[in-house]
This record gives sequence, C-alpha cells and structure tokens, in this order.
Amino acid sequence: QSVLTQPPSVSGAPGQRVTISCTGSSSNIGAGYDVHWYQHLPGTAPKLLIYGNTNRPSGVPDRFSGSKSGTSASLAITGLQVEDEADYFCQSYDSSLFVVLFGGGTKLTVL
Amino acid sequence: QVQLQESGPGLVKPSGTLSLTCIVSGGSISRTNWWSWVRQTPEKELEWIGEISHSGTTNYNPSLKSRVTISVDKSKNQFSLRLSSVTAADTALYYCARVIPSVAVGHIDLWGRGTLVTVSS
Repeated sequence: QSVLTQPPSVSGAPGQRVTISCTGSSSNIGAGYDVHWYQHLPGTAPKLLIYGNTNRPSGVPDRFSGSKSGTSASLAITGLQVEDEADYFCQSYDSSLFVVLFGGGTKLTVL
Repeated sequence: QVQLQESGPGLVKPSGTLSLTCIVSGGSISRTNWWSWVRQTPEKELEWIGEISHSGTTNYNPSLKSRVTISVDKSKNQFSLRLSSVTAADTALYYCARVIPSVAVGHIDLWGRGTLVTVSS
C-alpha cells in the first residue's frame, strides 16, 4: 500500500479534461515537500511531466499542469489526446520514513 | 544529449547478489547531479532504492539499506548498484536515473529504459 495514494485508473474522451490526485499526509506533501509527476508508457523510460509541484520541463505541452494544496497534489491534463494514454506517477519525500516516495500509479485510458 | 543505459545479469539466484551498472553517455557523471536507482515491481509499484552524488555521498531506502551499495566510477562515467541476499521479492524492472537536486526533494529528469532482473533458482 503506497504512502502516496493515487486512483488506480481514470478515463476520459479525446478533448476532455482529467485530473489525477496524489494524496499524502503531514509527513510528506503536507510537510511542504515538492511533488513531481511522471508519465510512463510500458517498455519505455518514464518521462518527467511536472517538477516542483507546478513546473513544466521544456518540451512538455501546457496541456499538462500541476497543483498542490495541503496534503494533496493533482495533475491535470486538458485536451486529452490518444497518445496521453499511459501510467502516471507522483513522487515526493517523507520525513518520518526518510525515504523518497512514489505514488501507486494511475492508468489513464483515453476512450 | 545524455543517455543512461543499465546493464547486468537478468537472472540472479536467491541469496545471491544483484549487480547492475548504469553507463552515462553524452555527458559527464561529475556534474552537480545525483544518480539514482529505482525499481518497478511486477505489481507496477515504483520503489526508490537510493542515490549517490558525483562525489560519492549516498542516501539509501531504509528498508533496503542493510543490503544496498551504490557506487560511482568517474573514470568510467558510470555508477553501480549492488543488492545482496536477494529473494523473489527483489524481482523487478530496475531503472537508473539522473536526479536534479533540490532543497525540497530532487526530481528525476532522465531515466534509463530499465532492465528486468528475476530472482530464481
């Protein structure tokens, strides 16, 4: 059971908006540690989507955005495209476990 | 551009030692980055194993700390993972990665493609 909780799956139609949540606690996200997001297509290297809660690396479309509030963070994807179908992971740090954490991952299906 | 490539045996016997190397190409390992190992279990969970700085400072996952050693070889521009006393629970897809350090948890801006390691007799 991951300390950072993500929904196992989300889905949306092309063009729609979806959000993926990453829920933590007062010893990780709530303690002020940054949240990062990655996109992972099986068989390929994971790709950084969002770092430092809200920042997009160059080359990542502005359809992807991140936010953080309290003990949770969210990844929003607008204008869904078929190629967005992938697994998405959040990452942070836990100060009571002294460990870098990943969320359990969310599989996005584009209907 | 910098690329990472994992290499090592795909099959390790129970109680043996898993040894993997990550070759860094297209750039120097001596830059101010950290270098990390992450694994993905068959259940698709990602687990952080640990990290090393270019100068050799390490941080390990407490749950693996007694069995893990991460080292860096600047002359070969590579870093390595050793995990001892392996069991079937260590069967996973192992990734090496480059970490951009930060005050409030670094992020991974570059990943290798991963290498599957199976623990079995």
